[in-house]
Amino acid sequence: DVKVTQSSRYLVKRTGEKVFLECVQDMDHENMFWYRQDPGLGLRLIYFSYDVKMKEKGDIPEGYSVSREKKERFSLILESASTNQTSMYLCASSFLGQGMGEQYFGPGTRLTVT
Amino acid sequence: AQKITQTQPGMFVQEKEAVTLDCTYDTSDQSYGLFWYKQPSSGEMIFLIYQGSYDEQNATEGRYSLNFQKARKSANLVISASQLGDSAMYFCAMRGISFGNEKLTFGTGTRLTIIP
Repeated sequence: DVKVTQSSRYLVKRTGEKVFLECVQDMDHENMFWYRQDPGLGLRLIYFSYDVKMKEKGDIPEGYSVSREKKERFSLILESASTNQTSMYLCASSFLGQGMGEQYFGPGTRLTVT
Repeated sequence: AQKITQTQPGMFVQEKEAVTLDCTYDTSDQSYGLFWYKQPSSGEMIFLIYQGSYDEQNATEGRYSLNFQKARKSANLVISASQLGDSAMYFCAMRGISFGNEKLTFGTGTRLTIIP
């Protein structure tokens, strides 16, 4: 079974703190993605990566950065957390260019910035 | 750019009835894939069904079927014989096929509630 894990289910941080969200997948997937989910807005793509050390901006990259030093791990970084970054963050992974390219999701991290 | 529209924020359906969740899309790509995901209250995203733009037959997976009408750019999810466990958020999504265009674009979702 494909497994995508995220470092925390719930996280509470203060405004201005640097926040790291970690995602690990065990299926040797090339693609990895970070989304945020907000009520009424669905899921919006923040960043994605199709290879180690490669990254591409998604639809809402402002205020975020990412790191992919190893194939199985994709980190989302909030350099200086703000209250408008309070959200559910979902990581996903998929094979590159194979078949339907179904994305497998982690359980999500609910981040609250106070 | 790709766009997914789900016009039903919420639906209430009697148990055992069939339900159709609407999804329309817009894209300039010739090749693309359409997905439906289910998100129960626990939060995980569960893949339900996939339709490729060149697939001639509508996709089916158990009680789920995808009513694909390419000319109308419509990809509705049909759930037959609904069950209480079908209560969840449902998201329609699409992706391009070309290299580097494999991200998913999601709709805003439909919250389905099954009434006993």
